[in-house]
Amino acid sequence: AQKITQTQPGMFVQEKEAVTLDCTYDTSDQSYGLFWYKQPSSGEMIFLIYQGSYDEQNATEGRYSLNFQKARKSANLVISASQLGDSAMYFCAMREGRVQGAQKLVFGQGTRLTINP
Amino acid sequence: DVKVTQSSRYLVKRTGEKVFLECVQDMDHENMFWYRQDPGLGLRLIYFSYDVKMKEKGDIPEGYSVSREKKERFSLILESASTNQTSMYLCASSFDWTGGYRETQYFGPGTRLLVL
Repeated sequence: AQKITQTQPGMFVQEKEAVTLDCTYDTSDQSYGLFWYKQPSSGEMIFLIYQGSYDEQNATEGRYSLNFQKARKSANLVISASQLGDSAMYFCAMREGRVQGAQKLVFGQGTRLTINP
Repeated sequence: DVKVTQSSRYLVKRTGEKVFLECVQDMDHENMFWYRQDPGLGLRLIYFSYDVKMKEKGDIPEGYSVSREKKERFSLILESASTNQTSMYLCASSFDWTGGYRETQYFGPGTRLLVL
């Protein structure tokens, strides 16, 4: 069963608009973590933001914020005032366990975001 | 800055060839990971290592093996490449997790492998 679901394969947004990328997850663990990564055309995955399951406040990092709704098991990424450089693939991921000190992450299918000038 | 490098950005191999993908990190991270990325499937974990000479299977280890002889280097080996192993391969590394986000994974630029 899919543990991370990103239902938007592609999104097109006008520059300077806010954009929300959807992510829902499935877990029976009480303690988990949620990540968002950005992958530009260069291929490298860039860490954007993290939300722990026990964090009471929604995470924010500059123009990025995470709309965490625990009861609905959703962790949507919000980008305010989008820029052309935000065009990329975006992946939602969840920590699904660990072995020794290594966190195992499970990723969603990704959303390709295109910012139009 | 954390630096994770991969030996090749693009690689073309023939079916049946033995293929080595190398990954090196310079941040003294304990953990290293190999993923493959396919359209519509996201990233899937192949193998990971939490210490030198230690390895653990991920979700799709079939057809792959790994080697970690030194802390900074993690190799992915395709013993006999097949066309269904054509994919983007991403290496990552991280500190040991002690809670929180500091132990996020840092990724290399990826290797696009084409098996003919």
